[in-house]
Amino acid sequence: QSVLTQPPSVSAAPGQKVTISCSGSSFNIGNNYVSWYQQLPGTAPKLLIYENNKRPSGIPDRFSGSKSDTSATLGVTGLQTGDEADYYCGTWDNSLNAAVFGFGTKVTVL
Amino acid sequence: QVQLQQSGPGLVEPSQTLSLTCAISGDSVSSNGPAWNWFRQSPSRGLEWLGRTYYRSKWYSNYALSVKSRIIINPDTGKNQVSLQLSSVTPDDTAVYYCARMPVVTHYSGMDVWGQGTTVTVSS
Repeated sequence: QSVLTQPPSVSAAPGQKVTISCSGSSFNIGNNYVSWYQQLPGTAPKLLIYENNKRPSGIPDRFSGSKSDTSATLGVTGLQTGDEADYYCGTWDNSLNAAVFGFGTKVTVL
Repeated sequence: QVQLQQSGPGLVEPSQTLSLTCAISGDSVSSNGPAWNWFRQSPSRGLEWLGRTYYRSKWYSNYALSVKSRIIINPDTGKNQVSLQLSSVTPDDTAVYYCARMPVVTHYSGMDVWGQGTTVTVSS
């Protein structure tokens, strides 16, 4: 099992919004920045959000991140078929002295 | 822009050592900013961080507890690459292995550049 907890799957119709939660503890999310990754089948993870809510160059503003206490959330608005992928949250864990990740959330566009 | 190119065998026999390299272009393995990480991913383990190395006037490495007794991550400044060695492998080490860059090591900033991944199967 992962240190960070994500829902296994979420779904919505094209154009709608989905949110993905990521729950941790004071050892990780509570005291460190959170990042989010998108992984399309057969490809490497791609950084979507870093430092809780910042988007790398080229990432559309349909993707947003937030953090509160020991939880973080990824939001995707204007859902497109190309958004169908696995999404992972990640952060640093101070007790493990290691990067930790959720087990991933599969987004399905209905 | 920064690119990472992985290489290494896709099949390793049980009890042997898994060895992969990650060639860096557009950055330097010994620059004072980033950390160079290795991950693996499998259906049973999900995305698992294995360890990292970085330079801050001297070289530092730290490793995941799950592999700490079997892993070495080494920088190669001459070839501008970083290597992964995982010894005494078992079928449970079968996974897709990735290298990735964390642009700063002062705080967790996420992995902004990833290698293409190498599928490694442990089997005789």
